[in-house]
Amino acid sequence: DTGVSQDPRHKITKRGQNVTFRCDPISEHNRLYWYRQTLGQGPEFLTYFQNEAQLEKSRLLSDRFSAERPKGSFSTLEIQRTEQGDSAMYLCASSLGGTGGAEQYFGPGTRLTVT
Amino acid sequence: EDQVTQSPEALRLQEGESSSLNCSYTVSGLRGLFWYRQDPGKGPEFLFTLYSAGEEKEKERLKATLTKKESFLHITAPKPEDSATYLCAVYPDDKIIFGKGTRLHILP
Repeated sequence: DTGVSQDPRHKITKRGQNVTFRCDPISEHNRLYWYRQTLGQGPEFLTYFQNEAQLEKSRLLSDRFSAERPKGSFSTLEIQRTEQGDSAMYLCASSLGGTGGAEQYFGPGTRLTVT
Repeated sequence: EDQVTQSPEALRLQEGESSSLNCSYTVSGLRGLFWYRQDPGKGPEFLFTLYSAGEEKEKERLKATLTKKESFLHITAPKPEDSATYLCAVYPDDKIIFGKGTRLHILP
């Protein structure tokens, strides 16, 4: 089964440090999404890619956050100068998009704890 | 503003006790509505997509229905393994807007 994978699964970092997460989508999916989820809340949209192009970014995504998807395959999400408020589960999802289907399939998430 | 509201926030049922979860939404233009299941510490697992009012989808003990303003997830004769958070999400454009979910606990 080649579902969505994320690495690492857990990350503990000190405030002010930079962190980077990786997402590998389902291979035939051309859309890739990043979400953030805190306890008791549903996932909140951060950004998404169609192939290698970043098409939309949420207002939640401050200048400290950057995402890339080189060559339209895996994606990375980097958070610079982490703050305690960045502690959350970061979820990646992928979909075929367009007429291929809107259903998004999620990875297991990366849980970030900023101390 | 597009919004999704789920109720109740939490629900405890005895094994075999059927019930329904509600998802009400306000969106500028609905292209689809999704239901997901999420277990603690894991990513959401896709269950159903509904596209138009009157549509119904079934999977094992779950049935999802859709009207113009809300969706219901009916759970028939639930088992303890159905315990999870159930998330509703709407698809007005290229991104999904999630509700906060209903935490369902099925007691044996």
